[in-house]
Amino acid sequence: DAGVTQSPTHLIKTRGQQVTLRCSPKSGHDTVSWYQQALGQGPQFIFQYYEEEERQRGNFPDRFSGHQFPNYSSELNVNALLLGDSALYLCASSRTGGLYGYTFGSGTRLTVV
Amino acid sequence: ELKVEQNPLFLSMQEGKNYTIYCNYSTTSDRLYWYRQDPGKSLESLFVLLSNGAVKQEGRLMASLDTKARLSTLHITAAVHDLSATYFCAVDGRATSGTYKYIFGTGTRLKVLA
Repeated sequence: DAGVTQSPTHLIKTRGQQVTLRCSPKSGHDTVSWYQQALGQGPQFIFQYYEEEERQRGNFPDRFSGHQFPNYSSELNVNALLLGDSALYLCASSRTGGLYGYTFGSGTRLTVV
Repeated sequence: ELKVEQNPLFLSMQEGKNYTIYCNYSTTSDRLYWYRQDPGKSLESLFVLLSNGAVKQEGRLMASLDTKARLSTLHITAAVHDLSATYFCAVDGRATSGTYKYIFGTGTRLKVLA
């Protein structure tokens, strides 16, 4: 049983560009959350998707957007990249809103130069 | 706003010693989670604590939850080098929609010295 799959694993982008990160949730999970983890920091909540809708959002600008597809997979889009967007982006999936915990993917390491 | 604080932030300890990591949070919640993260890696779930007084143990690690004090502890017994990692606690914040999201603590970077 595959866990949470994220792609790509590493990515280098130039300031001002746009990036799309992808996440396939664990089988049986219908909720996907995205987190940004800067070096040496704890994960910061970006947003959560359930039933193809953004249900909650953290303190991130509108440059960060997402989508959830009917198969529960999800994308995170970041526009107008800034150097400060360099981080590990983690996707976590769960059943029904996360009541019984989340399974995290291995993350995408984004470097903005 | 829900805040989650851990202490200490850094912990260097000798093999064979015992120590406790503390996780304090600022609002009512009866669900708390502990994760381990190795450098450059993702988060590994260690414990899920779902009620006041919950205690769970796995190997040399034991976690407990006191929802009245808004405090969870992660106790390390007879530490070994393999336990070196960063440990995060996370508390659920329940939104009005009924869904849950985690607020992570600041993390405790543990280094076990041989």
